[in-house]
Amino acid sequence: AQSVTQPDIHITVSEGASLELRCNYSYGATPYLFWYVQSPGQGLQLLLKYFSGDTLVQGIKGFEAEFKRSQSSFNLRKPSVHWSDAAEYFCAVGAIGSYIPTFGRGTSLIVHP
Amino acid sequence: DAGVIQSPRHEVTEMGQEVTLRCKPISGHDYLFWYRQTMMRGLELLIYFNNNVPIDDSGMPEDRFSAKMPNASFSTLKIQPSEPRDSAVYFCASSFEQGDSNEQFFGPGTRLTVL
Repeated sequence: AQSVTQPDIHITVSEGASLELRCNYSYGATPYLFWYVQSPGQGLQLLLKYFSGDTLVQGIKGFEAEFKRSQSSFNLRKPSVHWSDAAEYFCAVGAIGSYIPTFGRGTSLIVHP
Repeated sequence: DAGVIQSPRHEVTEMGQEVTLRCKPISGHDYLFWYRQTMMRGLELLIYFNNNVPIDDSGMPEDRFSAKMPNASFSTLKIQPSEPRDSAVYFCASSFEQGDSNEQFFGPGTRLTVL
């Protein structure tokens, strides 16, 4: 079975600073990987996903993530954070042929002005 | 498409009462998921359906919880009787088979408070 670890419960950054949120997964084959964002009072929204091909994936809102097989990681990055990026971010991993992703515990992003 | 629709958005009830949460998935989606989110346990998958059939309900915490999907456009999650520890945000999500894709589309959630 697959699993996901998001080692950071909270991350605080200043507006305009760069951001990297960590995600490590456990799965025996090439996984499907996702990052979702949850704004306060809202449901989860897909930011980006990796299925195959280029290991650097571009998503919405200026986010990108890089799949590193050797490190079993799929870290989310943004070069310059905006105050509106303050939210909860979830990494998820899915197995090929399965429609049931496993979600991490989430990382809460706090943005200081 | 309006996305996944959930009702009510907020529910406050007293311990022992029956609670029914509702979900309308995105048209054409053949998977439907019910999740519960709490600070302590994070996001938990309760049950999911494929083509209106319950496939895995191993995440349903107790017999007090039940879920149905009478047709492709409607599902309910019922708690009877409710308890204070059921207080949480309940999300419905849907997805569809697109090759091996399993991107999920989430509703806005129902915040349940049991007093």
